[in-house]
Amino acid sequence: EIVLTQSPGTLSLSPGERATLSCRASQSVRSSYLAWYQQKPGQAPRLLMYGASTRATGIPDRFSGSGSGTDFSLTISRLEPEDFAVYYCQQYAGSPRTFGQGTKVEMK
Amino acid sequence: EVQLVESGGGLMQPGGSLRLSCDASGFTVSSNYMSWVRQAPGKGLEWVSVIYDTGTTYYADSVKGRFTISRDNSKNTLYLQMNSLRGEDTAVYYCARDAHDWNYPTYCRDWGQGTLVTVSS
Repeated sequence: EIVLTQSPGTLSLSPGERATLSCRASQSVRSSYLAWYQQKPGQAPRLLMYGASTRATGIPDRFSGSGSGTDFSLTISRLEPEDFAVYYCQQYAGSPRTFGQGTKVEMK
Repeated sequence: EVQLVESGGGLMQPGGSLRLSCDASGFTVSSNYMSWVRQAPGKGLEWVSVIYDTGTTYYADSVKGRFTISRDNSKNTLYLQMNSLRGEDTAVYYCARDAHDWNYPTYCRDWGQGTLVTVSS
């Protein structure tokens, strides 16, 4: 099973600042089979990114993803008030599909 | 518009059974890969089970032998039969429509709002 470790656990930032979230895999994730999700309190997760760097439909371009192998990142270039949430990475290169433990982006 | 609506959650005693439903609209369940993903209170996401368009099913080790995923094509509905429930099964259960790559499920492209299952005596 591929274990995903996200860091930091919590990111305290102000609107307009840049957020960089990390997701590290215990083994190489082939074909960059990695997705990112956003979850707000009381809501279901929402797909943000797949294939490590492809934005899902309707996701604004301030969100970008990068990485390969075992190290991936999600960057939010300028935080908007609606971006404060928990973010999860997920790998689908191995079975079972697994998620990271999440990074909370909170308002400073 | 794709919509997924879960129902059937509630409070159950350990050892009990429960069936969750996920009513889908805007697409055909039987033509898609569909998953159940759960989230324990205050915790992260855990994949539980998947059913392929072919009907092939897979389960997380934590639920294998206790949970069964199925679908009713006439109702366009996905189910999760949960038997021998344990306290650690307490979670919000989401159904999700998966994208797939060849014959393998990938990411969860659409999610329902979830239904809470609480297992406690």
